[in-house]
Amino acid sequence: SAVISQKPSRDICQRGTSLTIQCQVDSQVTMMFWYRQQPGQSLTLIATANQGSEATYESGFVIDKFPISRPNLTFSTLTVSNMSPEDSSIYLCSVASGGESNEKLFFGSGTQLSVL
Amino acid sequence: AQSVAQPEDQVNVAEGNPLTVKCTYSVSGNPYLFWYVQYPNRGLQFLLKYITGDNLVKGSYGFEAEFNKSQTSFHLKKPSALVSDSALYFCAVRVSGGYQKVTFGIGTKLQVIP
Repeated sequence: SAVISQKPSRDICQRGTSLTIQCQVDSQVTMMFWYRQQPGQSLTLIATANQGSEATYESGFVIDKFPISRPNLTFSTLTVSNMSPEDSSIYLCSVASGGESNEKLFFGSGTQLSVL
Repeated sequence: AQSVAQPEDQVNVAEGNPLTVKCTYSVSGNPYLFWYVQYPNRGLQFLLKYITGDNLVKGSYGFEAEFNKSQTSFHLKKPSALVSDSALYFCAVRVSGGYQKVTFGIGTKLQVIP
């Protein structure tokens, strides 16, 4: 299993500003994932972050808007840039660990972001 | 493309009664199927998985799920619901083999009534 510490747990931000979310894992993992959870919608994968390489973004998400850092095997950050009210959501970091092929996902407690 | 459908936004059940939360999926290839639970103000927690083998899988907190290949379903069940089971439940699917992207359903809110 993996224990993930994510912060901040919540924030209220002004339009046009940026917020960086941090994710710390208690063990070394190859891939870390960033998800967005909007009310009434399923979890949407934003990007996959591998240590030592550029993050891989899903359709509809771009690096300029959601830059990601992955400096080592236990830590990652996601920045939500130039925020607008449409960015209000819960952001979750996740790692794949355990099972025959690391198929289980473990999640941080999430960051509730509100943009005014 | 792969997808997950959870047809019920909310399921209400009386405490002590059996509960079912429905999930159907679509995927090209052999599926890995999962249920995750999200308690209020907490992150998602893994509940159970189907990878291969017995179609009935057992997970945490007395939950189980049955993989039905012909109906492409993976319904979550529990024989006797507890008030503490009230939470948001997500079904998820991915294709087998190596790392593959996981697709989540929209979630079903389970409300257990005392």
